[in-house]
Amino acid sequence: GQNIDQPTEMTATEGAIVQINCTYQTSGFNGLFWYQQHAGEAPTFLSYNVLDGLEEKGRFSSFLSRSKGYSYLLLKELQMKDSASYLCAVRDRDYKLSFGAGTTVTVRA
Amino acid sequence: ETGVTQTPRHLVMGMTNKKSLKCEQHLGHNAMYWYKQSAKKPLELMFVYNFKEQTENNSVPSRFSPECPNSSHLFLHLHTLQPEDSALYLCASSQGTGDSEKLFFGSGTQLSVL
Repeated sequence: GQNIDQPTEMTATEGAIVQINCTYQTSGFNGLFWYQQHAGEAPTFLSYNVLDGLEEKGRFSSFLSRSKGYSYLLLKELQMKDSASYLCAVRDRDYKLSFGAGTTVTVRA
Repeated sequence: ETGVTQTPRHLVMGMTNKKSLKCEQHLGHNAMYWYKQSAKKPLELMFVYNFKEQTENNSVPSRFSPECPNSSHLFLHLHTLQPEDSALYLCASSQGTGDSEKLFFGSGTQLSVL
């Protein structure tokens, strides 16, 4: 089966930077996604990487290294509303999407 | 608001009950999905429908029965569930099922089986 690992929890201070790592071992690779899920709400799409490198979108950036099976989501200038669970998901060679268990980020004042 | 609506938001049922979860998407998408989300575990894909045809059944027990009458509506019929089936059930849709297709999720139905 597919194996996607990410830390369970992270805590950071408002205004700081947090980096959420995701490592994966899958049967082939057809893209990596990051989703944000606030408690009691729907997961929402944050980013998509299919080529190596950094994709920047405002305060959020996502990085991919296919050779290392590694990605990270970088959250800058943290705000209280960024407290949420962040889900890493990888699409394999059969286009099946597998999710990690999610990283709960808590932002403190 | 993601354009995907799920009802009910919460459901408590006994092991002998029969109930149904409903999902509706207003995005004009062609693919719809059911996922199970248990605490501290990865989302588990249950079923995929593409153009109303079931394209994936991820070894889901027969006590879960999906129905997709059209591309906008998806149901999950539940009967004789077990307590371990208690979880958040998420519906999602996407334009297609290609590599870059992102999923749009509903807010889920929090199911408790007593």
